Amino acid sequence: DQQVKQNSPSLSVQEGRISILNCDYTNSMFDYFLWYKKYPAEGPTFLISISSIKDKNEDGRFTVFLNKSAKHLSLHIVPSQPGDSAVYFCAATSYRFGQNFVFGPGTRLSVLP
Amino acid sequence: NAGVMQNPRHLVRRRGQEARLRCSPMKGHSHVYWYRQLPEEGLKFMVYLQKENIIDESGMPKERFSAEFPKEGPSILRIQQVVRGDSAAYFCASSPTTSGLSYEQYFGPGTRLTVT
Repeated sequence: DQQVKQNSPSLSVQEGRISILNCDYTNSMFDYFLWYKKYPAEGPTFLISISSIKDKNEDGRFTVFLNKSAKHLSLHIVPSQPGDSAVYFCAATSYRFGQNFVFGPGTRLSVLP
Repeated sequence: NAGVMQNPRHLVRRRGQEARLRCSPMKGHSHVYWYRQLPEEGLKFMVYLQKENIIDESGMPKERFSAEFPKEGPSILRIQQVVRGDSAAYFCASSPTTSGLSYEQYFGPGTRLTVT
C-alpha cells in the first residue's frame, strides 16, 4: 500500500519554463513533507520542505504548495534549468513516526535546452 | 566538513554469501538511518539507530538483516545469506539531533549491492 504517490514517472520541460511535480499522500497523520533531488550514482539531496501548518513555502526558484484537504502537494521550479534534470522524490513524515520518512517512487525530470 | 560516507560504493556477492555495508555519518551526527531502493522504486526506510541503540527497525526484514551503530566506528548493515532479491541500492542518512525530532537527514552516495 503506497502511502506516498507520484503518479508521473517522468516529465519533460523546456528550459526557462515552469516544471510542476505532483505528489499525493493517503495518510492524514503526515504533518511534514519534503522534496529530495537525486542525480544518478549519488544520494538524495534535500531541496525544500513544508509543514502542514503552511500551504506554501518558497526558496529561490523552488516553491512547494500543500493542499491538505486534497492530500496533495506540488513542487514548482521556475525557471527550469538543464541542471535541474534529476529524479525528484516526495517524502512525508510525522512526529508520531519518529524519524521514519515515507518516500514516493520519484519523478524523473528532464529539462530540455 | 565531510558528508555522509558509505563504502563500498559497489558490492558484488554470490547467493548465500554475507554482505556488509558501512556508513560513517557526518561529523557531530549521532543518528543514522538506512534505506533501500529497489529498481524503479522510491527509498524504503529500514532502520533508525543512535549510538549503541536501535530506535526503530520496523522496516527491516525479520530474517538475515541486522544493523548496528557501535560507540566507535561506522554503522554496519549486515545481510546474511544474500539472495537475488537483495540486489538494490542501500542508502545511509544521518541527522544531527541529540534530542527531540529533526527532519534533517543528509544522505550518503549509497552502496549498490548486486547478488549473482
